[in-house]
Amino acid sequence: GDSVTQMEGPVTLSEEAFLTINCTYTATGYPSLFWYVQYPGEGLQLLLKATKADDKGSNKGFEATYRKETTSFHLEKGSVQVSDSAVYFCARQGGKLIFGQGTELSVKP
Amino acid sequence: EAGVVQSPRYKIIEKKQPVAFWCNPISGHNTLYWYLQNLGQGPELLIRYENEEAVDDSQLPKDRFSAERLKGVDSTLKIQPAELGDSAVYLCASSSGLAGGPPYNEQFFGPGTRLTVL
Repeated sequence: GDSVTQMEGPVTLSEEAFLTINCTYTATGYPSLFWYVQYPGEGLQLLLKATKADDKGSNKGFEATYRKETTSFHLEKGSVQVSDSAVYFCARQGGKLIFGQGTELSVKP
Repeated sequence: EAGVVQSPRYKIIEKKQPVAFWCNPISGHNTLYWYLQNLGQGPELLIRYENEEAVDDSQLPKDRFSAERLKGVDSTLKIQPAELGDSAVYLCASSSGLAGGPPYNEQFFGPGTRLTVL
């Protein structure tokens, strides 16, 4: 069945470091792709999305590009902050929304 | 605008006891979802409602889980009897419009109910 695979965490970075969280998805149909973020004690929030191949989603300094040829949607940020510490979920939607297992990010000052 | 409201936020029960979770979606959202999130995992869909109709309940363990969405607004998810393995976070989400082809309507999530079964 359809699935999403993320790089395992936890990921620990120093403030202002470059962030990449890898995500790959099954290519059935024409899914939309999402990154959600879950801050401690809060619900899931949509961070960014891309609805078709080569689209780039961006928000709060985060970016991800829908790569159909590699079935990937990697999340990047050029300079992370302590406030970015959270769990990040990659998801695909072709009808049903299917999540990866999540990647915990911890940013140290 | 108020977000998705869930209650209670935390619940601790003994195994074999019943438990219920309540969700009030964003006003005007006619699609409502219940998800199960196990520790260290992503959410998994349990049931999706379009208005008052359950249109996808294929992942709902119907021997012990039940859900209802009377009048197509708020919803209740029930477990009876609860088992140790039901300890998890139960998330509710809502979206506007009806599910169909892309572009898909954004789902807005509530804070979840953390269930602990002892």
